[in-house]
Amino acid sequence: GAGVSQSPSNKVTEKGKDVELRCDPISGHTALYWYRQRLGQGLEFLIYFQGNSAPDKSGLPSDRFSAERTGESVSTLTIQRTQQEDSAVYLCASSSEAGGWDTQYFGPGTRLTVL
Amino acid sequence: AQKITQTQPGMFVQEKEAVTLDCTYDTSDPSYGLFWYKQPSSGEMIFLIYQGSYDQQNATEGRYSLNFQKARKSANLVISASQLGDSAMYFCAIVFGNEKLTFGTGTRLTIIP
Repeated sequence: GAGVSQSPSNKVTEKGKDVELRCDPISGHTALYWYRQRLGQGLEFLIYFQGNSAPDKSGLPSDRFSAERTGESVSTLTIQRTQQEDSAVYLCASSSEAGGWDTQYFGPGTRLTVL
Repeated sequence: AQKITQTQPGMFVQEKEAVTLDCTYDTSDPSYGLFWYKQPSSGEMIFLIYQGSYDQQNATEGRYSLNFQKARKSANLVISASQLGDSAMYFCAIVFGNEKLTFGTGTRLTIIP
């Protein structure tokens, strides 16, 4: 079946512009995560959606970052007034709700470059 | 705070040899899950193997096995009979009740022909 997909694959923007990154999780997966990976570093958790529960936004670095999810499908990560330090690969992952710690399956990421 | 450590920033291994990638963690929570992911140059994170803290046996998945030593808080990944395609970044990650994966800084593995 189809895996997690993300779009665009690459995004170049100018400092101060807003960007929207999209994630389509695996069909039937109720949990969706966003992570950020700066060059040469590990992944930083940003936000987590689980079903109809309130999202866990504890990883969002500033109020310029926000995310929404439509039901148990598509999610959009929005970065307002982008800064050069926002340049990174943004990875989305999804997992099924089957109890325990279900494996998170990742999309290919969106590489964001802020000039 | 939970912490996960990968002490090997880079490793070079001869093709067909076995390789062990180190991972240690620090937590007071008795219940957790450990994951290993592979990230090739294409950038995608590929799930390799999972170990639950209460699992009695070490996890195995094909050429991948996890040397889980709970008392020492280590979860090393062992790759047997390494192949050129194994060259990639490898990340160890841990998850607790809140289900946020916390990643280590990764190990870059290069397989030499």
